[in-house]
Amino acid sequence: GENVEQHPSTLSVQEGDSAVIKCTYSDSASNYFPWYKQELGKGPQLIIDIRSNVGEKKDQRIAVTLNKTAKHFSLHITETQPEDSAVYFCAANAGGTSYGKLTFGQGTILTVHP
Amino acid sequence: DTGVSQDPRHKITKRGQNVTFRCDPISEHNRLYWYRQTLGQGPEFLTYFQNEAQLEKSRLLSDRFSAERPKGSFSTLEIQRTEQGDSAMYLCASSFKHRNEQYFGPGTRLTVT
Repeated sequence: GENVEQHPSTLSVQEGDSAVIKCTYSDSASNYFPWYKQELGKGPQLIIDIRSNVGEKKDQRIAVTLNKTAKHFSLHITETQPEDSAVYFCAANAGGTSYGKLTFGQGTILTVHP
Repeated sequence: DTGVSQDPRHKITKRGQNVTFRCDPISEHNRLYWYRQTLGQGPEFLTYFQNEAQLEKSRLLSDRFSAERPKGSFSTLEIQRTEQGDSAMYLCASSFKHRNEQYFGPGTRLTVT
């Protein structure tokens, strides 16, 4: 089955700096890669996603890149703000019979210092 | 609020008791998923439904766990004879049938004492 590795486990930045979180996946059949933000006591919130036919996607201060050959994808947050502090999870969704199932990384605790 | 809702938000139970959680998906979403999340980890897939049909179950879902979605709308997850290792956050998500995006509810935090 799919295995998703996420790094780093913790990331501390100053307000205004950029933050980058990286994930690798194992199943070459995976074709959908979402990123979730989870705040304390809440469920994961979908913030951006990318499909395997696209190399990069951007939405205001956040962007995601995908390298299918190397089987890795990354989340980039620019001009970080204290409200970006949360746990971020990457995930992968294989096609075919596992169409609905998401496999998550271990999470990155992002802290943005004012 | 038209998001995914879960009830209860918190449940404390004694080992050996049965518990049942409810999930109401986003209206018109025909896929519904259950995940489990332990402290410091990402969510782990348990099972999912397309309408009322349960299409996939994880090996994590032991015989003590059962999920239903009888009318293709809300779903229940029951854990029988709870064990301390069942303590976790149980998350529900929903999506449209041919769309990948899954939207999560706030979760039910279970504590087994």
